[in-house]
Amino acid sequence: DTEVTQTPKHLVMGMTNKKSLKCEQHMGHRAMYWYKQKAKKPPELMFVYSYEKLSINESVPSRFSPECPNSSLLNLHLHALQPEDSALYLCASSQGQTSGLREQFFGPGTRLTVL
Amino acid sequence: DQQVKQNSPSLSVQEGRISILNCDYTNSMFDYFLWYKKYPAEGPTFLISISSIKDKNEDGRFTVFLNKSAKHLSLHIVPSQPGDSAVYFCAASGYSGYALNFGKGTSLLVTP
Repeated sequence: DTEVTQTPKHLVMGMTNKKSLKCEQHMGHRAMYWYKQKAKKPPELMFVYSYEKLSINESVPSRFSPECPNSSLLNLHLHALQPEDSALYLCASSQGQTSGLREQFFGPGTRLTVL
Repeated sequence: DQQVKQNSPSLSVQEGRISILNCDYTNSMFDYFLWYKKYPAEGPTFLISISSIKDKNEDGRFTVFLNKSAKHLSLHIVPSQPGDSAVYFCAASGYSGYALNFGKGTSLLVTP
């Protein structure tokens, strides 16, 4: 199984809503990532989890709250978002850090629209 | 500050010919480079990677060349096929291993 799955595929939410994005991988990867991608831009790293611990937070606003319940799952909790947060949210995973293990495999993304 | 640059936003190539996508980087601490292919509304798909200890890596129709002194890498696709039409992102990571720095992408169109 070489797949990263993400749910939901699309999400529309109001600025007062609370929602969660989910990501799952069964490749035994120990690093998992959240990226944000705006139209015609490259993916921007938000968070990195390594061995279920948050290792990188790229100065992301607190209205985005990541969670790693176990080594296969990664969630992104959303609360009080702004319309400018509308984007494609991508989850990725990799085996580790050493050469040959750093390839990140991406899920299909969740298209988020904040009204 | 963009540390990975793809200066050609788009490229059009005829089917069967070679596609060459270029990428430059500025950070000498980068030691691992990757190419991803992306279709609209999908996540990036990993294509091929190269470590800084090598200057070439080949996988089927895809070859990546690395010129460390010029801080330049390129992806060659031979022969190009219409299904290769997508946006190609170059990415680089440093010794910390985790963060991928992406270029802005090159949109490749392969015409029949």
